[in-house]
Amino acid sequence: IAGITQAPTSQILAAGRRMTLRCTQDMRHNAMYWYRQDLGLGLRLIHYSNTAGTTGKGEVPDGYSVSRANTDDFPLTLASAVPSQTSVYFCASSPGQGATDTQYFGPGTRLTVL
Amino acid sequence: GQNIDQPTEMTATEGAIVQINCTYQTSGFNGLFWYQQHAGEAPTFLSYNVLDGLEEKGRFSSFLSRSKGYSYLLLKELQMKDSASYLCAVRDSNYQLIWGAGTKLIIKP
Repeated sequence: IAGITQAPTSQILAAGRRMTLRCTQDMRHNAMYWYRQDLGLGLRLIHYSNTAGTTGKGEVPDGYSVSRANTDDFPLTLASAVPSQTSVYFCASSPGQGATDTQYFGPGTRLTVL
Repeated sequence: GQNIDQPTEMTATEGAIVQINCTYQTSGFNGLFWYQQHAGEAPTFLSYNVLDGLEEKGRFSSFLSRSKGYSYLLLKELQMKDSASYLCAVRDSNYQLIWGAGTKLIIKP
């Protein structure tokens, strides 16, 4: 693995179903993030984690949950999917320190909720 | 509220120069980022400005004026592969990135 991987690449899901999007990084970054990207809107932060064992809510957390059991993995769970959660989901990570603290993105998961 | 404004779309000619502007109003300022995003792909980091002035990196340069809440990304010697969306993001007082909707740049031969 080099960088950040996400799975699945794409998914079509029936409304009401539970879904977990997976994210793994091998850069030993402290901080990880989940964003959604919708046409005409900027990336919006769903949840973040500054370090393993801690998580925080972003701009649009409702309907989503996360966990950070270790440094490498940061899964995003939709407990009961709704059509408005149709979006492209990006996971990102950053060192969590330093002046720049640049975020690096995974390839994304395209989710359609019907 | 927090706001990042960028033009929705711009068109330029191969070999030319284009300037993509970004204005921002945020709760605090801890740096401004530019990312490139090709269609169907992830955003990739281009540049970071935290002090006023111009940062040059090859064909790409980024400028920041904190007093005006303004930045631009300058792309020189445009190539067809530069066709992409360019995203402006500001790190606010909570150290979270606030993102603009992006500028789609179309390069014509």
